[in-house]
Order: sequence, then C-alpha cells, then structure tokens
Amino acid sequence: AQRVTQPEKLLSVFKGAPVELKCNYSYSGSPELFWYVQYSRQRLQLLLRHISRESIKGFTADLNKGETSFHLKKPFAQEEDSAMYYCALLKSGAGKSTFGDGTTLTVKP
Amino acid sequence: NAGVTQTPKFQVLKTGQSMTLQCAQDMNHNSMYWYRQDPGMGLRLIYYSASEGTTDKGEVPNGYNVSRLNKREFSLRLESAAPSQTSVYFCASLGSAGEAYNEQFFGPGTRLTVL
Repeated sequence: AQRVTQPEKLLSVFKGAPVELKCNYSYSGSPELFWYVQYSRQRLQLLLRHISRESIKGFTADLNKGETSFHLKKPFAQEEDSAMYYCALLKSGAGKSTFGDGTTLTVKP
Repeated sequence: NAGVTQTPKFQVLKTGQSMTLQCAQDMNHNSMYWYRQDPGMGLRLIYYSASEGTTDKGEVPNGYNVSRLNKREFSLRLESAAPSQTSVYFCASLGSAGEAYNEQFFGPGTRLTVL
C-alpha cells in the first residue's frame, strides 16, 4: 500500500528564515511525487513535482529514493508563503493518488 | 475554461438524509477523484475514476457511492448521511497531456454539515 507521511502538522518561521517541510513516502514501485498548496480561501493547486526538478516561488524539492523522502525547501520564507502544504504520491498507470495529512506553514513578520 | 466546478458550495443535512454532490470538468481529462478534507487528517481519497465507465474505491469509500456519468461529470452520493460525514469535499481531475500531465486540478469544494 502507498503511504505519505508529513510529520509536522504546524510549522512556524519568521520572514527571511529558511523553511523545510518534510515528506516521507512508502511505495513499492516508482512513484510520482508532488507538492500542492492551498492558500486561504483558495482551491488546492500544484506547487511543484519531482519530475520537473524546477524551482517554483523559490521552493525546491528533491526526491531521495534512498530515504524515500521528498522534502520541500525554501531558503528565505516570505509572509505570502503562509498556507497549507500537501505532499502527494501518484501511482503511475492506475492514477490512484495518496495525500499526506498536510502541514500548515505560518510565516511571521 | 471553467476548470473543475462543484455544486453545491454549502449544504446542511439531517442524519439519514441523502444528497448528491456534483462535479464537472471541461478539460477533457480521463481521471477524476473525490476527496474529503478533515482537520488534522489531510485529504483522503473516497473514490476515483480512471476513465468514463470505471470507478474504484479509495481509502474511505464506506457510506458513499459514485457515478461517472460521462467524461465530464463525476458525482458523489450519500445515501444516508451521518454526522461523521461532516467534511469539506473536493473533486479533482487529472491532466493527461503536456505540461498538465498528471497534475490534479481541484474544484472549490463543498462544505457539508450533517446534524
């Protein structure tokens, strides 16, 4: 069975500080991994995916297959980064997806 | 493009009542999903449909039924609502080509309260 774990429900940092949102997964095949973000009163939207290996809004995430992790990082947090962040795994082929419990990030001024 | 739309936005039911949540997408996507979002429990998959005419159970299917009416529409039905089904329900569809490949597009959600 596939599983996604986000160990921190709440994370609070000051503006300008580095931030790391943790995500670990378990899956026997080759997963596709994503980070989705939900800003206040908005719908969930894709932030980034491991395949693209790009930086979005200053965020990056590297897939570490040895540690089965896909942590989200940003070197200098901004107040507008305050949101709920979900790590997600997509089972290729079948299209079944699994989300973590989410991490609420608060960036304080 | 309206993307993924859901109706209604809000609903209050009494225990035992039934209702259907509607979802439609205009992006010609094959796969569609229903999730529920509860505080501290993230998004949990209720049912999904990989293509028109097929549906599969997710993590928490008990108490729900779904219908993939056509490629555009995927509805979720509560036959006999229970207070434990109080939640925010999200529908999503899965991009199938180009930059949107395997990206999930979400609807605005339906906030359901069962008294």
